[in-house]
Amino acid sequence: GNSVTQMEGPVTLSEEAFLTINCTYTATGYPSLFWYVQYPGEGLQLLLKATKADDKGSNKGFEATYRKETTSFHLEKGSVQVSDSAVYFCALSVSSNTGKLIFGQGTTLQVKP
Amino acid sequence: EAGVVQSPRYKIIEKKQPVAFWCNPISGHNTLYWYRQNLGQGPELLIRYENEEAVDDSQLPKDRFSAERLKGVDSTLKIQPAELGDSAVYLCASSSSRGSSYEQYFGPGTRLTVT
Repeated sequence: GNSVTQMEGPVTLSEEAFLTINCTYTATGYPSLFWYVQYPGEGLQLLLKATKADDKGSNKGFEATYRKETTSFHLEKGSVQVSDSAVYFCALSVSSNTGKLIFGQGTTLQVKP
Repeated sequence: EAGVVQSPRYKIIEKKQPVAFWCNPISGHNTLYWYRQNLGQGPELLIRYENEEAVDDSQLPKDRFSAERLKGVDSTLKIQPAELGDSAVYLCASSSSRGSSYEQYFGPGTRLTVT
């Protein structure tokens, strides 16, 4: 079946540190891949996406590259800020007709000043 | 533009009681989703509506859960009777078929605690 696996959290970093949150997936066909972010007390927001192999999604300094050969979509940021503290969810969709999203379990990021 | 609105934000009930959640999607969004998010997990789809039609309810536990989207706008998700295992955050999301169906906009959720 289709599934997403993320690295366990929480991830605790100091401000300006480099961030990597690992995400791997299992899917039939050619999925689209997403990162969603959930700030405290708010709903999930789409952070970035990639719809085909080798695409790079980017937004707010975050990047992720769709790697078909390793079935991965790792999230990276060169210099994190305290305001990046949130829960990050990797997700996939295997059908453009339904938009049905399958989420990973989420990774909590805590950035300390 | 107003976002997806959900109410209530929090609900505590005793087991075997009924409960209902309400969602108002973004204006003009014809697709509406209900997800359940258990503690420490990612959201899981319960049901998807295209306008007023439920087009994917395969994950909805139909013995106790029901949903409706009258007039293709607001939606209500109901649980009757609630069980301890129903404690979770219930998320509503909406999207527009005119844009990418991948871009779903989520509400803040209703946190349900069943005691």
